[in-house]
Amino acid sequence: EVQLLESGGGLVQPGGSLRLSCVVSGFSFSDYAMNWVRQAPGKGLEWASSIRASGFKTNYADSVKGRFTISRDNSKNTLYLQMNNLRAEDTAVYYCAKEGWRHFDQWGQGTLVTVSS
Amino acid sequence: DIQMTQSPSSLSASVGDRVTFTCQASQDITSFLNWYQQKPGKAPTLLIYDATYLETGVPSRFSGSGFGTDFTLTITSLQPEDIGTYFCQQYDSLPSFGQGTKLEIK
Repeated sequence: EVQLLESGGGLVQPGGSLRLSCVVSGFSFSDYAMNWVRQAPGKGLEWASSIRASGFKTNYADSVKGRFTISRDNSKNTLYLQMNNLRAEDTAVYYCAKEGWRHFDQWGQGTLVTVSS
Repeated sequence: DIQMTQSPSSLSASVGDRVTFTCQASQDITSFLNWYQQKPGKAPTLLIYDATYLETGVPSRFSGSGFGTDFTLTITSLQPEDIGTYFCQQYDSLPSFGQGTKLEIK
C-alpha cells in the first residue's frame, strides 16, 4: 500500500522558518519525481515545488521562489520542504504528492502551516 | 504561466443526473490535463489523467474529453458520494490548477 505521511507543520511567526517532511512507503521512492502542493484555508490548490527523482532538478512557483527549498533523501524515502521568511499568505495545508507521468497519482493527508503573530 | 479557468464555480444536481465540468487553458496544452476530486476535509485524489484516461479504481461513470485548450469532465449518473470539489490541472509546463468547481447534491 502506498503511503505518504507529512509532518513538521505548526504555528510560526512571520519571518520564521519551518521544515516539512514527507515519508513515503509502498513504492520505489527514488524512481519518481515528487511535489509539494498547498491549499490555503477555503481556497484552491496551488502547486509550490517539484523535484526530479535524482534530486538534481528542482522547480518552484514564483510565490515561493527564493524562500522555499525542496530536497529529498532517497536513502530515507523522505521528501523535504525548507520554508524560510514565512509570510501570512503561506498559511495553508501542505501536501506532498507523487508524480506519475505529468500527473499526481498519490497524495499525503497534508500538514497545516499557520503563519501568524 | 498557463492559467486554468474552470466553470461553473459551483453546481447543484440530483442523484442520477449527468453532470459536466469545464476547464479552459490560456494556451494550447495538448492533452496534458488532469482532473482531481477533493472530498471535504480530505486530500485530492486523481480521477482522470492525460485528458481522457481513467485512473485505476475510479468508477466508469467518470470520463474526460478535450484537447488543446478546452476540456470536460463528465459524471454520467451522479451518486451521493461524488460530492466535493473538482480541480483541473495542466502539466504542459510547470503545473497549475484551476480554481475548482464545488459539486453539491440537490
